[in-house]
Amino acid sequence: DVKVTQSSRYLVKRTGEKVFLECVQDMDHENMFWYRQDPGLGLRLIYFSYDVKMKEKGDIPEGYSVSREKKERFSLILESASTNQTSMYLCASTPPQGAQETQYFGPGTRLLVL
Amino acid sequence: GQNIDQPTEMTATEGAIVQINCTYQTSGFNGLFWYQQHAGEAPTFLSYNVLDGLEEKGRFSSFLSRSKGYSYLLLKELQMKDSASYLCAVRRGSTLGRLYFGRGTQLTVWP
Repeated sequence: DVKVTQSSRYLVKRTGEKVFLECVQDMDHENMFWYRQDPGLGLRLIYFSYDVKMKEKGDIPEGYSVSREKKERFSLILESASTNQTSMYLCASTPPQGAQETQYFGPGTRLLVL
Repeated sequence: GQNIDQPTEMTATEGAIVQINCTYQTSGFNGLFWYQQHAGEAPTFLSYNVLDGLEEKGRFSSFLSRSKGYSYLLLKELQMKDSASYLCAVRRGSTLGRLYFGRGTQLTVWP
């Protein structure tokens, strides 16, 4: 079974703090993704990575950065947290584009920025 | 981005059948996925279509028409536990496994 884990289920931070969200997958997947999910807006892609040290911007990268130093780990960084970054953050991974390979999601991190 | 549309909310009663539609406009289409997401949980994979036609998997079926940019998810013999958000997502061939998600359809099943 594919397992994607995220470092925290719930996180409370203050405005201006630097925040690290960690995601680890145990299936040697090349592709990893960070989304945020907000009511009425659905899943929006922040960044994705298709290999170690490689990254691509998604639809809403502003205010975020990412790091992929090892294949199994993909970190999302909020350089200076703001209240509009309060959201549910979901990490996902997938192998190289096979015919039916879906994305496997982690349990999510619910971040509250005060 | 990609235009992926699905209804915001639907309701149905236990034992009934419900069809959730999804329309999309994209180039380089390379598959359509349906996910189920219960409140506070991560999305889980339900079905995948890349060719036209119907894919059946137990109580759930998914249909695709590539020429019409249209898919539906059919849920039969509804149960209370089917109350969830259902997400339609499209994959493009050129984008390294990236999926483009619709905003989700919140299904409520009443007893």
